[in-house]
Amino acid sequence: KAGVTQTPRYLIKTRGQQVTLSCSPISGHRSVSWYQQTPGQGLQFLFEYFSETQRNKGNFPGRFSGRQFSNSRSEMNVSTLELGDSALYLCASSLEFMQGDSPLHFGNGTRLTVT
Amino acid sequence: SQQGEEDPQALSIQEGENATMNCSYKTSINNLQWYRQNSGRGLVHLILIRSNEREKHSGRLRVTLDTSKKSSSLLITASRAADTASYFCATAPNTPLVFGKGTRLSVIA
Repeated sequence: KAGVTQTPRYLIKTRGQQVTLSCSPISGHRSVSWYQQTPGQGLQFLFEYFSETQRNKGNFPGRFSGRQFSNSRSEMNVSTLELGDSALYLCASSLEFMQGDSPLHFGNGTRLTVT
Repeated sequence: SQQGEEDPQALSIQEGENATMNCSYKTSINNLQWYRQNSGRGLVHLILIRSNEREKHSGRLRVTLDTSKKSSSLLITASRAADTASYFCATAPNTPLVFGKGTRLSVIA
């Protein structure tokens, strides 16, 4: 079974631009979550989607948004990029809604650098 | 939201030694999970222990859970260079899975 696939692997953008990151979950997984990882803040939860509905949202500004499609694939978008948005963005999928017993399966992330 | 906090922040040991890292949390949990992250990669799920379990094994991994102390420990026996990674705990109650900042383990050959 293929793992979680995130594209692109690396991305360089300039301040003010916007970016879209993509995540394909493991086949059959309906929950997709996004995390931002930085050296200073560690892993910060962004949002979780389950069956195309946003179920949870972390404490991030409205510039961060996401969506999930009917095939469970998910995208997240960051508009008006700031230098502080430079991070590793990780997507994770699980069989069910995150508060259950299903462990998370992570992709290898998208490394976003904002200059 | 809850957060597991790992201790120590960093740990350096020789190959063949055992490595122990700890996780503390603040409120009641349904389960506690441990993950490993190799540099620049995604996290890999290692083991899940439910609140009614006290100990669980998986290969060279042993996890204990003490709900009265709100703490867990992860023991890696006979460590190998390939175990070099960051290790995170995460607790799952009724909020999204929240991770601590991890323990960075270095296993020196």
